[in-house]
Amino acid sequence: EVQLVESGGGLVQPGRSMKLSCAASGFTFSNYGMAWVRQAPTKGLEWVATISYDGSSTYYRDSVKGRFTISRDNAKSTLYLQMNSLRSEDTATYYCTRSGILRITRGWFAYWGQGTLVTVSS
Amino acid sequence: DIQMTQSPASLSASLGETVSIECLASEDIYNNLAWYQQKPGKSPQLLIYYASSLQDGVPSRFSGSGSGTQYSLKINSLESEDAATYFCLQDSEYPYTFGAGTKLELK
Repeated sequence: EVQLVESGGGLVQPGRSMKLSCAASGFTFSNYGMAWVRQAPTKGLEWVATISYDGSSTYYRDSVKGRFTISRDNAKSTLYLQMNSLRSEDTATYYCTRSGILRITRGWFAYWGQGTLVTVSS
Repeated sequence: DIQMTQSPASLSASLGETVSIECLASEDIYNNLAWYQQKPGKSPQLLIYYASSLQDGVPSRFSGSGSGTQYSLKINSLESEDAATYFCLQDSEYPYTFGAGTKLELK
């Protein structure tokens, strides 16, 4: 069974940093692209960043480019999101997701974690 | 960015009815369209990918269709467990974008 378990969320002040982690199990982590998707309270879904199965390619939405860094450790089956210079508009539940196709970075999000809430507030 | 216009924003239907939800893309997305179901307090669950392919384990009363810029999700024979919010996602090009969601209420 595919499992994605996020951690690292919480309350953080504007301008500060936070790092999210996602522990993956139930599949060969190094074979799949991974992504972070967020959802602001009572709002819709927003793609944040994607990383290829081998970590060689990354993609970001414009509003987080230069502030967020997606990375992965295939030996630990763990995905990360380093978030710097946080803003109030980054407040959301952050979901770790796995792509649907083996060794293809692009494509739909087939599996989702339970999410971790990040609140940016003074 | 590709805009996804989803309609309706909400709908109310009875058990056993059939409903459809639409997503209109601002440009051709070449069938790179997925549908998700989200229940309150839960993470989204994949229903359909590549416009019409049913995800493993999803009941066959869910189906997807469309091409080019117009896509739809159809739910046959509504069951009580289908009450949820439904989102479409275009995964044709970055930034991937979601529809605003359709809240389905069962009467």
